[in-house]
Amino acid sequence: GAGVSQSPSNKVTEKGKDVELRCDPISGHTALYWYRQSLGQGLEFLIYFQGNSAPDKSGLPSDRFSAERTGGSVSTLTIQRTQQEDSAVYLCASSSYPDFYEQYFGPGTRLTVT
Amino acid sequence: AQSVTQPDIHITVSEGASLELRCNYSYGATPYLFWYVQSPGQGLQLLLKYFSGDTLVQGIKGFEAEFKRSQSSFNLRKPSVHWSDAAEYFCAVVRSNFGNEKLTFGTGTRLTIIP
Repeated sequence: GAGVSQSPSNKVTEKGKDVELRCDPISGHTALYWYRQSLGQGLEFLIYFQGNSAPDKSGLPSDRFSAERTGGSVSTLTIQRTQQEDSAVYLCASSSYPDFYEQYFGPGTRLTVT
Repeated sequence: AQSVTQPDIHITVSEGASLELRCNYSYGATPYLFWYVQSPGQGLQLLLKYFSGDTLVQGIKGFEAEFKRSQSSFNLRKPSVHWSDAAEYFCAVVRSNFGNEKLTFGTGTRLTIIP
């Protein structure tokens, strides 16, 4: 049983470029979450996918951020026109019934915007 | 909105000493409470959780936590720390409503262990 995996582990990009971050949840987990960990804001929720339901996007900080989940498995977080304040570690987590509250986290992607 | 407060940013303890990390939450009803640990360069690992029932919960790595409704607290304890416990610890809360499982985290407490 592999855990949650994320790629890349590190990403350095220039301001204004678009980036894509990938998350592979634990096989069979129907719930998937993205969080962001930054020095200024701590750990904050971004977006939540649950099965075929519409995602909860209430934590996305701006319309430059979007995420999709294909086939109920892999998820991609996209940040368009990156800004320096987007520099952070982006964490993905997954969970499944009946323990939806027990989230398993990946190692994160460290994004640096120069 | 729910919130979590970890008043101690950084704690230093000697190896073998006891440890208590503080966590207070703000929420009208009883939330679901968690403690996570993050070692350098690693993701978050769940130490323990409280949903209901016995207010003293046991977790992995010898940790325990006690839920005190009257104090809105969920403090993490360990009787004797090991050098490998050096890490960052996060308290988190989820509202106990199905379909709203996103975690709200405290700001974390960094634990340093000295020989």
